[in-house]
Amino acid sequence: GAVVSQHPSRVICKSGTSVKIECRSLDFQATTMFWYRQFPKKSLMLMATSNEGSKATYEQGVEKDKFLINHASLTLSTLTVTSAHPEDSSFYICSARDPLAGQYFGPGTRLTVL
Amino acid sequence: DAKTTQPPSMDCAEGRAANLPCNHSTISGNEYVYWYRQIHSQGPQYIIHGLKNNETNEMASLIITEDRKSSTLILPHATLRDTAVYYCALSGSARQLTFGSGTQLTVLP
Repeated sequence: GAVVSQHPSRVICKSGTSVKIECRSLDFQATTMFWYRQFPKKSLMLMATSNEGSKATYEQGVEKDKFLINHASLTLSTLTVTSAHPEDSSFYICSARDPLAGQYFGPGTRLTVL
Repeated sequence: DAKTTQPPSMDCAEGRAANLPCNHSTISGNEYVYWYRQIHSQGPQYIIHGLKNNETNEMASLIITEDRKSSTLILPHATLRDTAVYYCALSGSARQLTFGSGTQLTVLP
């Protein structure tokens, strides 16, 4: 199947700092990418839809000024967690939609905010 | 309200078929049913998807009821490596996925 990568795989940061997570579709172009968050022993919750060349669409309850999304090319979307706090610690997962084959997920990024 | 409901856990004997149910009684006409699985601390792995016809691929079969209100994922010969959390999800108009709470499948030797 299609390959989606994320970087970094895990990050530890101090409270108040910002963290950028990259999501890349490696062998297909994705006009749409999605960002999910998953807390321990819970399901994936959609945070936002990232559209290439336009603004992201955020789900209800997700602060767009805190979770900045940029989808500057057909193979790259970034999620920046601004002024991170311990409650933002979570597993962040992106997915990319291959129009011909379906939706594929990255391996996830484990964020720990101290 | 949850769009999909799944049993929280199931066991299956190695080599036997694993049948994982999913209820999606409020599914819309244009929503696809997707199945993914997730092993701890990894991203979800795509298994199969369908709209209304039954589907089969090298990993699994998907049976969707005629009224589309429920579906069953079938792993024909479960192995120990199939132990994972299995998610049933619906794909909306923008192709975003809404995940259920998942079923922890444990394949027993």
